Amino acid sequence: QSALTQPASVSGSPGQSITISCTGTSSDVGNYNYVSWYQQHPGKAPKLMIYDVSNRPSGVSDRFSGSKSGNTASLTISGLQAEDEADYYCSSYRITSTPVAFGGGTKLTVL
Amino acid sequence: QPQLQESGPGLVKPSETLSLTCSVSGASISSSSYYWGWVRQPPGKGLEWIGSVYYSGTTYYNSSLKGRVTILVDTSKNQFSLRLTSVTAADTAVYYCATPDPYSSAIDSWGQGTLVTVSS
Repeated sequence: QSALTQPASVSGSPGQSITISCTGTSSDVGNYNYVSWYQQHPGKAPKLMIYDVSNRPSGVSDRFSGSKSGNTASLTISGLQAEDEADYYCSSYRITSTPVAFGGGTKLTVL
Repeated sequence: QPQLQESGPGLVKPSETLSLTCSVSGASISSSSYYWGWVRQPPGKGLEWIGSVYYSGTTYYNSSLKGRVTILVDTSKNQFSLRLTSVTAADTAVYYCATPDPYSSAIDSWGQGTLVTVSS
């Protein structure tokens, strides 16, 4: 069982917006602005899409945005495109015996 | 950005030790700008953080691996390594080497991943 909770799946039509949630606790998401989001296509390594809650690495489309409220972080993808179909994982720094945790992953289907 | 490449056996017998090496290019393993880490992904499942090491030798591990894991830096070869002892079928996974940011743990460089199967 993952330390961070994500929905197993979300879906949307091209052009629409979707949001993926990532719920943690006060030991991680709630008290640290160190939430990251990764995109993973089948058979490929994950790709960093968002870091420090809402920052985009160079080269990542501005259709991807991140936010946080309380113990829950969110990834929003606007203007859905077919190539956005992938698995998405959140991650957070944690003040526990294991300093990094991943969410269980969310499969995004573009209808 | 560092480029990373994993290497090591693709098949390990139960109860034996899994050993992988990550070769680093485009950056010095002695750089203070990076941690050097490992993440794994069992077939069809999610990502699991294994641990990381700083150039100084400081290490952080996933407590669920209960002392079975060791990550070391080899500055002479610009490589770092993973050792996981007493493996079982549950350790079958794609193993990625990666570069967690020293502060946020965000990983912006990943190796391509290598599948390690634990089977007799």
